[in-house]
Amino acid sequence: DIQMTQSPSSLSASVGDRVTITCRTSQTISTYLNWYQEKPGKAPKVLIYGASSLQSGVPSRFSGSGSGTDFTLTISSLQPEDFATYFCQQSYSTPFTFGPGTKVDIK
Amino acid sequence: QGQLVQSGAEVKKPGSSVKVSCKASGYTFSSDTISWVRQAPGQGLEWMGGILPVIGTADYAQQFQGRVKITADVSTSTAYMELSSLRSEDTAVYYCVKEMYYSGSGRRFDPWGQGTLVTVSS
Repeated sequence: DIQMTQSPSSLSASVGDRVTITCRTSQTISTYLNWYQEKPGKAPKVLIYGASSLQSGVPSRFSGSGSGTDFTLTISSLQPEDFATYFCQQSYSTPFTFGPGTKVDIK
Repeated sequence: QGQLVQSGAEVKKPGSSVKVSCKASGYTFSSDTISWVRQAPGQGLEWMGGILPVIGTADYAQQFQGRVKITADVSTSTAYMELSSLRSEDTAVYYCVKEMYYSGSGRRFDPWGQGTLVTVSS
């Protein structure tokens, strides 16, 4: 199975801050990497797919980059509605696996 | 894109089974894989397996092999996930998700069902 790690596990930030979350995979997965946002009591929703493609309807302040084993999710200017938990997920091979999550809360 | 609506919360005894349904609408159900993902309280997301309804054969994560059965009824556009030999560690929210393809073989999960809480307690 492909193992996923994320860093940091949590971070505190202020509205307007630039936030960067990193995801690393245990083997190369090309760009088969997705990012999801999860809020309490709600199902996750996809933000970025294919490492850098923005899902329709997702604000352009979200962006993704990377390939191989190292990936990054960036929020260019954090908004109040962005306080949530973010997960990466590989779709290179089954079993699909997720990172442990990064919780972004208010400083 | 479509919509997935799941059955309601369940409370089960250890050793019993649970069957969760997921009704699809707004797209051609038979053509897209439905996967099941679970999230235990305070934990991360775990892929359990998936099924392409038009074929009807499911693919399962190794840790659930022998305990989980995923099926699909094309006539009612409904997928099912049955988990047997339940234990307390199976207490979780269970989601059905539709796999959307990109770049040939890449897949993302969209949309998600609303989730079904399964509680295993004696």
